[in-house]
Amino acid sequence: DTGVSQNPRHKITKRGQNVTFRCDPISEHNRLYWYRQTLGQGPEFLTYFQNEAQLEKSRLLSDRFSAERPKGSFSTLEIQRTEQGDSAMYLCASSFEDSTGELFFGEGSRLTVL
Amino acid sequence: GEDVEQSLFLSVREGDSSVINCTYTDSSSTYLYWYKQEPGAGLQLLTYIFSNMDMKQDQRLTVLLNKKDKHLSLRIADTQTGDSAIYFCAEKYRANAGKSTFGDGTTLTVKP
Repeated sequence: DTGVSQNPRHKITKRGQNVTFRCDPISEHNRLYWYRQTLGQGPEFLTYFQNEAQLEKSRLLSDRFSAERPKGSFSTLEIQRTEQGDSAMYLCASSFEDSTGELFFGEGSRLTVL
Repeated sequence: GEDVEQSLFLSVREGDSSVINCTYTDSSSTYLYWYKQEPGAGLQLLTYIFSNMDMKQDQRLTVLLNKKDKHLSLRIADTQTGDSAIYFCAEKYRANAGKSTFGDGTTLTVKP
């Protein structure tokens, strides 16, 4: 296994467009997380899945954001009607439920909204 | 709510020790983590400590936890230029909780 994989690595879009990011976790991990990171700040929790169930969503997560993990493997994060404030690095991480809580991060998908 | 605070920058000379500090507000935090982020790369776990421990040592890394003051530190002995990176402190109130709360990171610069 090569680790957590995210695509695309960089997306440039115009304000108002929809974008979708994909995350492929480490295969034996049943948990998958989405975080957002802006310059000079730490990762901010967005949501997480255990298998296919979305168990927690941040109160900060706008209705324009939706995440899915339909078969309990890969996940997608869609942002509708993008705004300039959505520009950030979107990080995906995975873990195994019965562990010490260590997160394995992908390299992130950078979104630039013009 | 949870909050994790770190100083933003630290600069040391190669061969010196580095100490990166972190404070957290949630007294129920039971697992505390240090992650490292190099330019263009994802975060990578360096080490962690449970709240029932005061200290943990792993090769050049020493983690100290003061639960009374809610203070966590990471000491890197014999700091090398390859240690230059951003270091994030993170907490969870239990190991299998979903959410981790991260600090804003400390940028460590190691000068030759």
